[in-house]
Amino acid sequence: DAMVIQNPRYQVTQFGKPVTLSCSQTLNHNVMYWYQQKSSQAPKLLFHYYDKDFNNEADTPDNFQSRRPNTSFCFLDIRSPGLGDAAMYLCATSRRARGEETQYFGPGTRLLVL
Amino acid sequence: GDSVTQMEGPVTLSEEAFLTINCTYTATGYPSLFWYVQYPGEGLQLLLKATKADDKGSNKGFEATYRKETTSFHLEKGSVQVSDSAVYFCALSGVNFGNEKLTFGTGTRLTIIP
Repeated sequence: DAMVIQNPRYQVTQFGKPVTLSCSQTLNHNVMYWYQQKSSQAPKLLFHYYDKDFNNEADTPDNFQSRRPNTSFCFLDIRSPGLGDAAMYLCATSRRARGEETQYFGPGTRLLVL
Repeated sequence: GDSVTQMEGPVTLSEEAFLTINCTYTATGYPSLFWYVQYPGEGLQLLLKATKADDKGSNKGFEATYRKETTSFHLEKGSVQVSDSAVYFCALSGVNFGNEKLTFGTGTRLTIIP
């Protein structure tokens, strides 16, 4: 089945130690998103790629970076994780076409910062 | 800007009860509307969607109708099951082509007791 895959499902890192989360998709969608979701809150968009075109949200901290080496993969890099970055990180994809606004989400990676 | 107002939770119902979760929105134009469901520890799953006024989205016994006149997209189910226990998010997507950003409601936690 076509899907959005996130690895790992759980990630533990130390305060200040860089960490990378990965997302892959078999949907061949041209848009990929990264969201941060804290407990009992709605997901918050960090940034998205339209093909290789990177779009950062104005309030996304500089500590968060992203890479998209090809259509299928997208990475979230947290350069110096703080305790406040502990959250669920969700990857989503969509196909940019009229009438095709639906975003499809992966299972998420839960990040714990010690 | 766009916004989604969702019924405050948590909501607790007995099995086989009727469910309504209210959702209203503010947006210019005609956004697409979505209900996503999130089970514990999982990502968001698309439950149903509607892309134009008077459209009814339906899936797994859940229904919601896009009401332009009342700017609403209330979620309903005639007989809930324990397996429906989850957090439900109402969302809308940007109306402009190329602006697929999702605006989420705050989420409603639903618990079904046997």
